[in-house]
Amino acid sequence: ETGVTQTPRHLVMGMTNKKSLKCEQHLGHNAMYWYKQSAKKPLELMFVYSLEERVENNSVPSRFSPECPNSSHLFLHLHTLQPEDSALYLCASSQDNRGHNSPLHFGNGTRLTVT
Amino acid sequence: AQKITQTQPGMFVQEKEAVTLDCTYDTSDPSYGLFWYKQPSSGEMIFLIYQGSYDQQNATEGRYSLNFQKARKSANLVISASQLGDSAMYFCAMREGFETSGSRLTFGEGTQLTVNP
Repeated sequence: ETGVTQTPRHLVMGMTNKKSLKCEQHLGHNAMYWYKQSAKKPLELMFVYSLEERVENNSVPSRFSPECPNSSHLFLHLHTLQPEDSALYLCASSQDNRGHNSPLHFGNGTRLTVT
Repeated sequence: AQKITQTQPGMFVQEKEAVTLDCTYDTSDPSYGLFWYKQPSSGEMIFLIYQGSYDQQNATEGRYSLNFQKARKSANLVISASQLGDSAMYFCAMREGFETSGSRLTFGEGTQLTVNP
């Protein structure tokens, strides 16, 4: 496989469930990201990992818990979510050289619906 | 204040014609980078083109070019010879500052482009 792969593509969960989103990148990048895309809102940066260290936690509620066990894998653990958390969750990776010309490469996203 | 502004919620263009998607940005950082992404209905965000704040020439990538006007803080995307497959949502994004780890991009609200046959 190439690029950035996210699983599952679709997820429906109740407010009391616990689930995890998975992201895997095959690009040899050293930084990974979680973004949230809600309807009619710009993409919101949630978490940034660089060299497996979390370097950004953008005021995200604790019901979202990221995990980056290595530079190729990123998880987003979900528990006791709210209906307003329903959105498209996008994972991305990049080669972090602290330079400008390091575009993010995104996965296809996980469409999450909280009932 | 919004850092990235895309004033066109929707745009229509005839196949084979050129179209310009507008993007203005707001930053006080002298070093920044500007990106354009395409998001088809499938959901994946596809990187199209990049422009650095110190780049002297406008960026070009195939049918995509970036009309960078630094003084006006605008970075419009020009798509030449539009194709039906260009129909998608287009996002402008900016990265500010070199010194922090990770490429934190701030995105605009996007422009929905429809190419008509």
